[in-house]
Amino acid sequence: DQQVKQNSPSLSVQEGRISILNCDYTNSMFDYFLWYKKYPAEGPTFLISISSIKDKNEDGRFTVFLNKSAKHLSLHIVPSQPGDSAVYFCAATRMDSSYKLIFGSGTRLLVRP
Amino acid sequence: GAGVSQTPSNKVTEKGKYVELRCDPISGHTALYWYRQSLGQGPEFLIYFQGTGAADDSGLPNDRFFAVRPEGSVSTLKIQRTERGDSAVYLCASSPGSTYNEQFFGPGTRLTVL
Repeated sequence: DQQVKQNSPSLSVQEGRISILNCDYTNSMFDYFLWYKKYPAEGPTFLISISSIKDKNEDGRFTVFLNKSAKHLSLHIVPSQPGDSAVYFCAATRMDSSYKLIFGSGTRLLVRP
Repeated sequence: GAGVSQTPSNKVTEKGKYVELRCDPISGHTALYWYRQSLGQGPEFLIYFQGTGAADDSGLPNDRFFAVRPEGSVSTLKIQRTERGDSAVYLCASSPGSTYNEQFFGPGTRLTVL
């Protein structure tokens, strides 16, 4: 049973435009969410996170939105750059547990020059 | 840079053999995690260490998998009687402590069981 789902395996956007990556979760006990970025042959790199007490967190070009009632979060990248091309993983955790991360299956983003 | 390192980067073995995968976490990080990533999937949790003890091993798929962290730093993931289904990238991550949410990942070890 997949607790974290990324239903779009891939996304292609033009440089300079907005990229929107989506993630859904089923476990209402999750209280912290993270986005990781992964290049080939490298480990995932932390990008941005959000606590369940917030609905938005922004860091430069990256913004994460959380809709708890819909159990949905999204990552917005504005403006998109070719160097953003990578696989993006959504992850969720419970802060009263071991902080183990439950990952989605990832979305491959391609930013076209 | 003193990031998380993993050795070997690639390991090819035959079905039934024993393998050890090593993880060197960031110095001073007390929390250490092992994940496994199969093709087309996200990383899947295996085990979590806080210091020397395995605080959560609920992700280990069966008793062929075992991990140790005897001195609270380096960790070794051990797989006995490997099966073809064990082929995956094994990722290690560390964080400053169990209350810190961001985990820092190593590059992984790609295990191929023939």
